[in-house]
Amino acid sequence: QTVVTQEPSFSVSPGGAVTLTCGLTSGSVSTSHYPSWFQQTPGQAPRSLIYSTNIRSSGVPDRFSGSILGNKAALTITGAQADDESDYYCVLYMGNGYWVFGGGTKLTVL
Amino acid sequence: QVQLQESGPGLVKPSETLSLTCSVSGYSISSGYYWAWFRQSPGKGLEWIGTIHHSGSTYYNPSLRSRLSISVDTSKNQFSLKLNSVTAADTAVYYCATYSTSTKQFDPWGQGTLVTVSS
Repeated sequence: QTVVTQEPSFSVSPGGAVTLTCGLTSGSVSTSHYPSWFQQTPGQAPRSLIYSTNIRSSGVPDRFSGSILGNKAALTITGAQADDESDYYCVLYMGNGYWVFGGGTKLTVL
Repeated sequence: QVQLQESGPGLVKPSETLSLTCSVSGYSISSGYYWAWFRQSPGKGLEWIGTIHHSGSTYYNPSLRSRLSISVDTSKNQFSLKLNSVTAADTAVYYCATYSTSTKQFDPWGQGTLVTVSS
């Protein structure tokens, strides 16, 4: 069974840049997986940041960008701000209407 | 502007059926889009449960398929989830969301509702 992998945690300095990744235990992530990224703070519903690899959702600042880096999907945050401190989840389309989430990355800004 | 709101019992007994409804406002559920359910166990990650179109076409998470039913009521502009034979492992915050097959985007989401499975 293929599992979607994410870094459990990451830290970034205010104003810095960070790249979070989303991979597969078997195979490579491609645009055909239509990677999406969500931001979630405690007690809140997930917020759509990026869909179809690199399209920003409405209202998302251009500090957030999505891409494919090597064999993984990637979410890059530039100019990190204190309120970027959140959990970030990726989800991949596996075909036949089936989606699988990664375990999430807890991002700390300090 | 599409808005979604989950509703249903916050407490379900083990072995019984969990039933939730997602009410959609600002958009006719018959006009297009698919409609999705997700859940998040306390302190854990997100899980896709399933997706439905107003035509009744459904896609289910294989791990839940044997216990799961998702349906749509166009007259009420709602869609629903039923999960039977629940255990403590089904305790979670349940979210509904809009899904676009053309953009592969899940957005917007409801605020979520906590369902606890306990006797």
